[in-house]
This record gives sequence, structure tokens and C-alpha cells, in this order.
Amino acid sequence: EAGVVQSPRYKIIEKKQPVAFWCNPISGHNTLYWYRQNLGQGPELLIRYENEEAVDDSQLPKDRFSAERLKGVDSTLKIQPAELGDSAVYLCASSLTQDSYTEAFFGQGTRLTVV
Amino acid sequence: QKEVEQDPGPLSVPEGAIVSLNCTYSNSAFQYFMWYRQYSRKGPELLMYTYSSGNKEDGRFTAQVDKSSKYISLFIRDSQPSDSATYLCAMNTGFQKLVFGTGTRLLVSP
Repeated sequence: EAGVVQSPRYKIIEKKQPVAFWCNPISGHNTLYWYRQNLGQGPELLIRYENEEAVDDSQLPKDRFSAERLKGVDSTLKIQPAELGDSAVYLCASSLTQDSYTEAFFGQGTRLTVV
Repeated sequence: QKEVEQDPGPLSVPEGAIVSLNCTYSNSAFQYFMWYRQYSRKGPELLMYTYSSGNKEDGRFTAQVDKSSKYISLFIRDSQPSDSATYLCAMNTGFQKLVFGTGTRLLVSP
């Protein structure tokens, strides 16, 4: 079974340009997460979806970041315009919603460099 | 102060050594405690998880949680060069938002 698939793996853009990342979660997983991992840091949650609904977007910088999850499957994360400080690895993860603990499976991430 | 504190390392050990990795946390509502392993340029993968206090063993790995001290540990016995990676502790209250530590980089030399 395929894991969480993200694309592209790497992206280099100039500041003020837009960029988009795509995520295909594990089949059947209704919960999808986008995390940002800065160099030398642990991942930090940007947004969590339950099916199509964004249930936790409190850490998403809404002035420049947007996300969508159409039909409750694939998701895209967009930054417009990008800033130098957005350089990081953007990780997508998915899980099955259970009553309490659920294991989140991570993709390989998209490494963004803003120059 | 961060909710989860973890020494970034690097921690260098010879092959065969016992490795101890630790995290402290401040939120007493955390109930689920996880250890993820992350190889360079890869996403994190779950190694172990523990609910509440206690020990859990899986092969060469043992996870310990001491909620009274807000302290968790991961022990790796008979460490191998293939264990060289960054180890991230993570925890949540049971409502799915994971809070990660910064990760400890482990280097096991042959």
C-alpha cells in the first residue's frame, strides 16, 4: 500500500512568488495534517482536516497561507506571496480518526527554499 | 518556554552502546507519548507510543513515561549504525494535535 505522497520534493522560488504543495494521503484516512518543520526543529502543525473540514487552522498564517482539501482526499497548501522565512520542509500526514490516539503517517515532505 | 523540551544533540555513541533519549514537558494534560525516528530528508516514522505512565518494550527499544515528573525516555539497546537518525518525541492530549520536541540527532559509529 502506498504511503502519503507529496509533491514536489523540492522547490526553489524567489520571494514574493506563489508556491503550492500537493498531498495524497493514505487511502481511507479521513484526517489530514500539514506540518512545517524548520531546520533543527520539530514539526509544527499548520492545519488539520477531518474529511473536507478544517478543524484546526489556528497556526496557519492566513494572510499568506491557504489550504484546501477537495472531496476529503487530496490536499493542497499554498503560499502567496512567499517570504524568506517560509523556507522549511512542509510535511503532510494522514491518519484514521479514532476515539483517542491515532497514528499519523508522514510523507517525505516538500523542501521549500525561498531566495 | 516550549511545551516540550528536547536536547538537540548530536549524541555520538559507539556501536553496541545503550542510548538514552529524553524529553520534558510542561502540559499535564498530555496523555499519549510517542517517539518518531526521522532519517535525513525523510518524513518522521512512528517508533513507539505509550499511553499515560509506564514502560513499553519493542525489541531493542524501550519507552518510559513518568507523568509525575513530566519526563519521557527512549532507550535503545545494542545500538547500530542504522539507528543513526533524529529522534523526535511527540505528545498530545488525545485530541490528535501532536506537539513535537526539537529532535535529538543520534550518531552511532561502527
